[in-house]
Amino acid sequence: GAVVSQHPSRVICKSGTSVKIECRSLDFQATTMFWYRQFPKKSLMLMATSNEGSKATYEQGVEKDKFLINHASLTLSTLTVTSAHPEDSSFYICSARDRTGYGNTIYFGEGSWLTVV
Amino acid sequence: AQSVTQLDSQVPVFEEAPVELRCNYSSSVSVYLFWYVQYPNQGLQLLLKYLSGSTLVKGINGFEAEFNKSQTSFHLRKPSVHISDTAEYFCAVSAYSSASKIIFGSGTRLSIRP
Repeated sequence: GAVVSQHPSRVICKSGTSVKIECRSLDFQATTMFWYRQFPKKSLMLMATSNEGSKATYEQGVEKDKFLINHASLTLSTLTVTSAHPEDSSFYICSARDRTGYGNTIYFGEGSWLTVV
Repeated sequence: AQSVTQLDSQVPVFEEAPVELRCNYSSSVSVYLFWYVQYPNQGLQLLLKYLSGSTLVKGINGFEAEFNKSQTSFHLRKPSVHISDTAEYFCAVSAYSSASKIIFGSGTRLSIRP
């Protein structure tokens, strides 16, 4: 079946540095990918919608200059957390829409744990 | 805009007992509805989804959900739970439009007691 892969699954970075998380659709093309953030024991908060070949659409309250999203190809979207701070520590999950699928066929990645120290 | 309300943040149930996790949604347009499960320290897994047609949807692991348009509900049920069903369950909604996004409820933690 369709798979969405996220890398890295876990990353620890120092405060002030930047870290990039990749989201790949392995056997389908995804014109649209979504990035979510999940705090411990909380629900998933949509951060932005990533569209292939165009700028991402950010949700209200999400800093676009801090959370850079690039969707350069039909199978890859990246989230870069710039100048990371401990409060950015979270579980980040991406999802990808199979553009050939019926009825909003969306697949989720396994998530990436970010710890900023 | 769409929204999802999961009325119960936690549901404790004894093993082999039935369970219902409640979900209500709000939308001015037609929607797709989903239930996802998240096991500890893992990503999301789709349990089932309602797109159209029969209002009773059967999913994986013995779960089913019923779409009730008049009550704007999509409750998840299982007739007999197992210890392995312990997880966080998320109800979600997405509008029909092709570029729409999935909006999640706050989640319900299902804990199974032996």
